[in-house]
Amino acid sequence: NAGVTQTPKFQVLKTGQSMTLQCAQDMNHNSMYWYRQDPGMGLRLIYYSASEGTTDKGEVPNGYNVSRLNKREFSLRLESAAPSQTSVYFCASSEDRSGGSQETQYFGPGTRLLVL
Amino acid sequence: SQQGEEDPQALSIQEGENATMNCSYKTSINNLQWYRQNSGRGLVHLILIRSNEREKHSGRLRVTLDTSKKSSSLLITASRAADTASYFCATDQGGATNKLIFGTGTLLAVQP
Repeated sequence: NAGVTQTPKFQVLKTGQSMTLQCAQDMNHNSMYWYRQDPGMGLRLIYYSASEGTTDKGEVPNGYNVSRLNKREFSLRLESAAPSQTSVYFCASSEDRSGGSQETQYFGPGTRLLVL
Repeated sequence: SQQGEEDPQALSIQEGENATMNCSYKTSINNLQWYRQNSGRGLVHLILIRSNEREKHSGRLRVTLDTSKKSSSLLITASRAADTASYFCATDQGGATNKLIFGTGTLLAVQP
């Protein structure tokens, strides 16, 4: 099993450009997540998807859109990149809740994005 | 807004020593999880402790949870240079949202 994979690993954009970050998992998880990690800020949730066909906003959704293409894939799109979106982006997936509890999340290796 | 706050922000110890990291949170939780992140890598799950548990062990890791004080600690015994990483606590607040809230992390450096 590859677990959670992300592409690309690195990306440099100019302000105003658009791009899509790809994420796929092969663990048959229903839930998938996109986070950004900035120095001293820990991880902040951008969007999540509890199941195929559903998406919900997290803590910092502005400037992003997501698509849950199917059960395996969850993409994050920056329509018009800004320097404030320079960050490391992580995708994660988790098993269904059991008894209402959030279980272990499995993370991808991350995408390092620089917006000039 | 961060639910968990780790303490200390950074910790430097010698190989063989024990490392203790603390996490405080603000609201009631279903469970608390600890993750490790090596430099430049994704997070890796270490251990999950549920709200009705007080202590849990996994190899050289020992986690405690005090729900009355809204705090948790992670103890790594007999540390190794390979334990050098950032450690994050994450809390499940339960309710309608299925998401974890991560703290800002403790950076652990184990000197050989």
